Amino acid sequence: DADVTQTPRNRITKTGKRIMLECSQTKGHDRMYWYRQDPGLGLRLIYYSFDVKDINKGEISDGYSVSRQAQAKFSLSLESAIPNQTALYFCATSVAVGQPQHFGDGTRLSIL
Amino acid sequence: DAKTTQPTSMDCAEGRAANLPCNHSTISGNEYVYWYRQIHSQGPQYIIHGLKNNETNEMASLIITEDRKSSTLILPHATLRDTAVYYCIVRYLDSGGYQKVTFGTGTKLQVIP
Repeated sequence: DADVTQTPRNRITKTGKRIMLECSQTKGHDRMYWYRQDPGLGLRLIYYSFDVKDINKGEISDGYSVSRQAQAKFSLSLESAIPNQTALYFCATSVAVGQPQHFGDGTRLSIL
Repeated sequence: DAKTTQPTSMDCAEGRAANLPCNHSTISGNEYVYWYRQIHSQGPQYIIHGLKNNETNEMASLIITEDRKSSTLILPHATLRDTAVYYCIVRYLDSGGYQKVTFGTGTKLQVIP
């Protein structure tokens, strides 16, 4: 969905480095989400935000932090990356409770 | 949590209807059933959702049983481009009262020429 843009699309980095993944949206949605996807495990929710002042942990928030800089921007940070954080990361947005989520094209992150 | 159970994989002949089942026996009365699909490693794509009644849109139909414990996504005329992993999802409320979405492992649908 081109209305949800993730940067970078691919990133290779080393253990211990700080990494930021960025997500921006032009949909005007209040709700934003970060997921990670590992082979055979589906998508798991990391953090979600229902507006600029509201940040909530998901299923697997340990080792991650987020920042909601504006309605349109939601960043995911790995303060000190470790190899088991190698995964495909997706950002999503939704307009309200009960409405579908719209996903970006993902960031493929490899930590060596 | 309202969890879902789907077959790991299914095959469908091109041009035929693809019927993808989902079990959600612990669903609550106000929880919606959603279907998404993911083609290769692209972002998941919304297909359809429903609460009680059957739903149809340009992509698919959703049939929900009367007791709401299971549903079926129907792709009426499957094409090779429908080859993807299909996720059946039920939204649920966490302890803070927020609705969240949990994706399971989905059904890998292979459309065969």
